[in-house]
Amino acid sequence: DSGVTQTPKHLITATGQRVTLRCSPRSGDLSVYWYQQSLDQGLQFLIQYYNGEERAKGNILERFSAQQFPDLHSELNLSSLELGDSALYFCASSPRGGFGLAGEETQYFGPGTRLLVL
Amino acid sequence: GDSVTQMEGPVTLSEEAFLTINCTYTATGYPSLFWYVQYPGEGLQLLLKATKADDKGSNKGFEATYRKETTSFHLEKGSVQVSDSAVYFCALSFLLDNQGGKLIFGQGTELSVKP
Repeated sequence: DSGVTQTPKHLITATGQRVTLRCSPRSGDLSVYWYQQSLDQGLQFLIQYYNGEERAKGNILERFSAQQFPDLHSELNLSSLELGDSALYFCASSPRGGFGLAGEETQYFGPGTRLLVL
Repeated sequence: GDSVTQMEGPVTLSEEAFLTINCTYTATGYPSLFWYVQYPGEGLQLLLKATKADDKGSNKGFEATYRKETTSFHLEKGSVQVSDSAVYFCALSFLLDNQGGKLIFGQGTELSVKP
């Protein structure tokens, strides 16, 4: 158990809908990261938040947005869903906001939310 | 850009066999390197990491050495068990502006160990 929790575990919805995925980081961790895992794209970084502020952005679609709240939990909002958005969405957390001089800080992953868009 | 390439799977081995999963990387800087493992139906768990050249990461009998000259970080285990069956991901850290960062993952290698 990494200490990172994600809800819900599974989500089934229809095209055009909007969903919210929730993540609680490990106690004391300030940074939260979101990744998407799909069969064709593999594991792709979406976005990073540090202490409530957006810190880094990856290939996140404009239909997707995220935020980190004062209690440090994070939500990933996916809207106007398409079939191709079906994937496993992981949240990870790490202790510090900075990534370290050599990027040595470990990211701890949650169990993921499996999204199926029908 | 920075990238990670892993050997394709699935890899099928008998119990107690020797395991090698190849991982090579391309990076402009000096990243840290990681191996994560994903058991069926679960999230990613850190298996081991190395933060600079010639460092060896090790955990649960698995080892990997950060080789800058060959840009490699191959995962090895001397004697695999059925419980090692999982998907293994090699990753490097990529530093972005404003001190943000991300992990860049390889495509994953599925390992199946038969009794």
